Amino acid sequence: QSALTQPPSASGSPGQSVTISCTGTSSDVDGYNYVSWYQQHPGKAPKLMIYEVSKRPSGVPDRFSGSQSGNTASLTVSGLQAEDEADYYCSSYAGNNNFGVFGGGTKLTVL
Amino acid sequence: EVQLLESGGGLGQPGGSLRLSCAASGFTFSNYGLSWVRQAPGKGLEWVSAISGSGGSTYYADSVKGRFTISRDNSKNTLSLQMNSLRAEDTAIYYCAKEKWLLVTSTFDCWGQGTLVTVSS
Repeated sequence: QSALTQPPSASGSPGQSVTISCTGTSSDVDGYNYVSWYQQHPGKAPKLMIYEVSKRPSGVPDRFSGSQSGNTASLTVSGLQAEDEADYYCSSYAGNNNFGVFGGGTKLTVL
Repeated sequence: EVQLLESGGGLGQPGGSLRLSCAASGFTFSNYGLSWVRQAPGKGLEWVSAISGSGGSTYYADSVKGRFTISRDNSKNTLSLQMNSLRAEDTAIYYCAKEKWLLVTSTFDCWGQGTLVTVSS
């Protein structure tokens, strides 16, 4: 079960947009429509921000959006706010044999 | 309100055993798959094991296969993880996570607060 590939860090100024990529393979990201994104603040449990590539759970601001092209999924945070500073993890379903795989995480810094 | 509350973490000996539990409330327990996800200190998330709503299907990461056993008691709304043959690399915070739907798709819409497992002599 290989991890998905994310950049270790990303940053942007308040009000700007930032995009975080998540690269997998045809066995996970490009094989199923179950890519999710999670936000984790220090010392806290992860929180679901995006599911099924681009859907937002209720309560998640529409500043957060997801997309996918081939084996790469992306999370875009528009109108950056201070509270968006956190670690972000992508995840994908990988079938019954491998089930779930996470990316290594991206630390988003709001400058 | 959906709540997941883990317990059972602590210090385990290399080669020893620990049993984690997760008490759930606020949803129809048997209608959702559940997983254990762990996070080593300062590291990223790692999916460990999953179980279907009925308990009839279970899944394991290669790193724990043959050592860990996931189970659930739908009459008590409780999820468990029996951890045997513990290794130092099992040291992590273990989270209980609920699937968003009946299907197990590695989409987790609710997480517990986590329980810390430390494996050391």
